[in-house]
Order: sequence, then C-alpha cells, then structure tokens
Amino acid sequence: TQLLEQSPQFLSIQEGENLTVYCNSSSVFSSLQWYRQEPGEGPVLLVTVVTGGEVKKLKRLTFQFGDARKDSSLHITAAQPGDTGLYLCAGARGSNYKLTFGKGTLLTVNP
Amino acid sequence: KAGVTQTPRYLIKTRGQQVTLSCSPISGHRSVSWYQQTPGQGLQFLFEYFSETQRNKGNFPGRFSGRQFSNSRSEMNVSTLELGDSALYLCASSTGLAGGVVDTQYFGPGTRLTVL
Repeated sequence: TQLLEQSPQFLSIQEGENLTVYCNSSSVFSSLQWYRQEPGEGPVLLVTVVTGGEVKKLKRLTFQFGDARKDSSLHITAAQPGDTGLYLCAGARGSNYKLTFGKGTLLTVNP
Repeated sequence: KAGVTQTPRYLIKTRGQQVTLSCSPISGHRSVSWYQQTPGQGLQFLFEYFSETQRNKGNFPGRFSGRQFSNSRSEMNVSTLELGDSALYLCASSTGLAGGVVDTQYFGPGTRLTVL
C-alpha cells in the first residue's frame, strides 16, 4: 500500500505553461518534503512544510501543505526546460529519518 | 564542503551472490539512511544509522543489512541476491540531531545494482 499518492504520474508541457502536481494521503504527516531528482542523481530537497495550511514560495514554485497535514501541492508558474525532472513528495511521521516517498511525477518541459 | 559519495556507482551481480555498497556522508553528519528506488515501487526506506547504531528500520527482509563505522561512513550489504533486488540504492546523510527541527537529508547519486 502506497501511503503517498502522487498525480499525475507523467506530465509533458510547453515552456511558459503553468502546472500543479499533487501529493495525497489518508495519513497525517508531521512534515512533508518535496524533492526534485534528475537522471543519474539523487533527489535534491526543494522545500519542507510542517504546519497545516502552510504556503511556501521558492521563486516560480509554490508549495502548499493541506490544513489536515495529509496532502500537499506543488505549483510551477511559467515552467522552463530546466524544471524538467522527477518531483517527489516525502512525508515524515514522527521520525524525520524514516521518510515515506510517493512514486513521483515525471515532468518534461519542452522548449 | 563535499557532498555525499557512494561507491561503486554501477554494479552487476548474478543471483545468489552478495554485494556491499558504501556511503560516505557529508563531513560532520552522523546519520545515514538507505533507500531502494525502483520504477515500480519508487523510493522505499531500508534503514537509518546514527552513531553506529541502527535507529530506524523499514520493511525489508533480513537479507538486507547495514552498519556504520565510527567515522560515520556506512555500508549496506545484500546477501543471496534476487532479480528483484535490481534497483538504484541511495543513501542520505544528515546531522541526526533534529531536536524538534526538521533535519535536512542530503542524498548521494546512488549505486545502480543490476542482478542477472
């Protein structure tokens, strides 16, 4: 059973478009993290959200943690080819050292 | 500061063999976690070591084991390899001292294991 469901699984868009990816669970998480992974590399942390309802902005990326701390979304404005990669959400329940990952959203931004 | 390093980067083994993977954490980090990444299951937590002790454990069979040395370097061992063990094995390091604050994990590039 996958505790964190990510959607969509694949997303291919044109440069300049906006997009939103989702991370949903029936479980409550103490914190939720978003990573981006490029081919041949390990995941790189983008953001951590810990408070229900929290919204964090990182340049063109906006992250939101659901009020009940069960879901999260990542919105990218004016996507660029450099945003291409696998976006992973990961939740911590109690210990931050035992992350539960979603399967990821593979984003391709075409020039 | 150097990042997390993993060796080897690629490995090919046959069924029944055993394998040892190595992870060197960022200097000063005392926690090392291991994950298995496959296309079907995504990233799954194996175990975490802190100060040479296994602190957290995932739901993998006993064929998967690990250890951590006094310099925080960690090794992961898989015995009696199966075809399904083919995966990217990632390690991540962090300070290990959350103290109520979320502790960032820094991932290495992984070791790609292929079992034939």
